[in-house]
Amino acid sequence: GAVVSQHPSWVICKSGTSVKIECRSLDFQATTMFWYRQFPKQSLMLMATSNEGSKATYEQGVEKDKFLINHASLTLSTLTVTSAHPEDSSFYICSARVAGRWNIQYFGAGTRLSVL
Amino acid sequence: AQRVTQPEKLLSVFKGAPVELKCNYSYSGSPELFWYVQYSRQRLQLLLRHISRESIKGFTADLNKGETSFHLKKPFAQEEDSAMYYCALLVLNDYKLSFGAGTTVTVRA
Repeated sequence: GAVVSQHPSWVICKSGTSVKIECRSLDFQATTMFWYRQFPKQSLMLMATSNEGSKATYEQGVEKDKFLINHASLTLSTLTVTSAHPEDSSFYICSARVAGRWNIQYFGAGTRLSVL
Repeated sequence: AQRVTQPEKLLSVFKGAPVELKCNYSYSGSPELFWYVQYSRQRLQLLLRHISRESIKGFTADLNKGETSFHLKKPFAQEEDSAMYYCALLVLNDYKLSFGAGTTVTVRA
């Protein structure tokens, strides 16, 4: 099956620093990648949709200057949390979609971000 | 706007008993629905989709457009079915998934 790799799996950073999270499709080319945020014992909340070579589309209420998304190739998207603060601490998950493969999204294992 | 409702946050059943997870949706377009499962310490993975009309790990789900439901069922629950289950609706024009709140299933021996 399709594999999505997300790195790092866990990161701790100081308040005010920036953190980059990578999402890679290992054995397929992803038409679209998605970034979600998940709070403890809650559902996934879509943050943004990322298409290769174009600007990401952010969901309402998500600060695009705070959460920078770059989709440089068909196998890599990155999420940078800029000037992170403790309220940004969360579980961030990416997924990738392959065009024509029955609209299935394949998920990464997630990144736990802890901002001190 | 679309909406997916999973009314049960927690569901506890005994091994061998039937289990049903409820999912209702509202969507103005033609719905494409999925069930995703997240086992402890694992990533979210696709369990089944309504289009394929298949049974995976003994689970089935039927789309009922009249009742706008896509309930997940298994006649005989197993301990390894303990997990978090999410119902999701695909918004076709932009391929976004809208997730329900999730149901945590615990199967007791």
